Amino acid sequence: AQSVTQLGSHVSVSEGALVLLRCNYSSSVPPYLFWYVQYPNQGLQLLLKYTTGATLVKGINGFEAEFKKSETSFHLTKPSAHMSDAAEYFCAVSSSGTYKYIFGTGTRLKVLA
Amino acid sequence: EAEVAQSPRYKITEKSQAVAFWCDPISGHATLYWYRQILGQGPELLVQFQDESVVDDSQLPKDRFSAERLKGVDSTLKIQPAELGDSAMYLCASSLAGYDEQYFGPGTRLTVT
Repeated sequence: AQSVTQLGSHVSVSEGALVLLRCNYSSSVPPYLFWYVQYPNQGLQLLLKYTTGATLVKGINGFEAEFKKSETSFHLTKPSAHMSDAAEYFCAVSSSGTYKYIFGTGTRLKVLA
Repeated sequence: EAEVAQSPRYKITEKSQAVAFWCDPISGHATLYWYRQILGQGPELLVQFQDESVVDDSQLPKDRFSAERLKGVDSTLKIQPAELGDSAMYLCASSLAGYDEQYFGPGTRLTVT
């Protein structure tokens, strides 16, 4: 069975500081991995995804994530936080070739002025 | 830019009443998903349609929830009777095919009193 663990339900960073949101997954088959962002009372927006190929994935709004198979991780980073990055972030995993996403419990990012 | 539409955005209902949510996926997307997101948690899949057929409703509480996608385009999710524990965000998503990335609508926030 697949699962996703997001370490830290709340993360605070100062504006301009590095953002690091952690995601570890469990999967018995090659995974597809996703990061979504959710603003209050809105749906989820895809930030980036890893399916195959290059393990460093660049997404929208300056975010990127690196797939590390040996560590079963897919951490999300951004070099410099903006106030507009304050939101909830969800990591998700699915098996290659299937539809079913398993979401983590989310990390709420707070950006301090 | 094409988007997934959902209505209503907010719904307050009393327990034991019936409630219905509507979703219109991105044009051409054959696969449609309904998720439930309880506050502080990640989305959980309730039901998945491929065109007008249900392909996964294993997590749908069938004693009170029903979903349909009669013409393979828009979809309705119904709860009857609503219970206090049904208070959550109900998200609709669509994809071109079952293994493609999912695009989410803005959601319907349900409050059962």
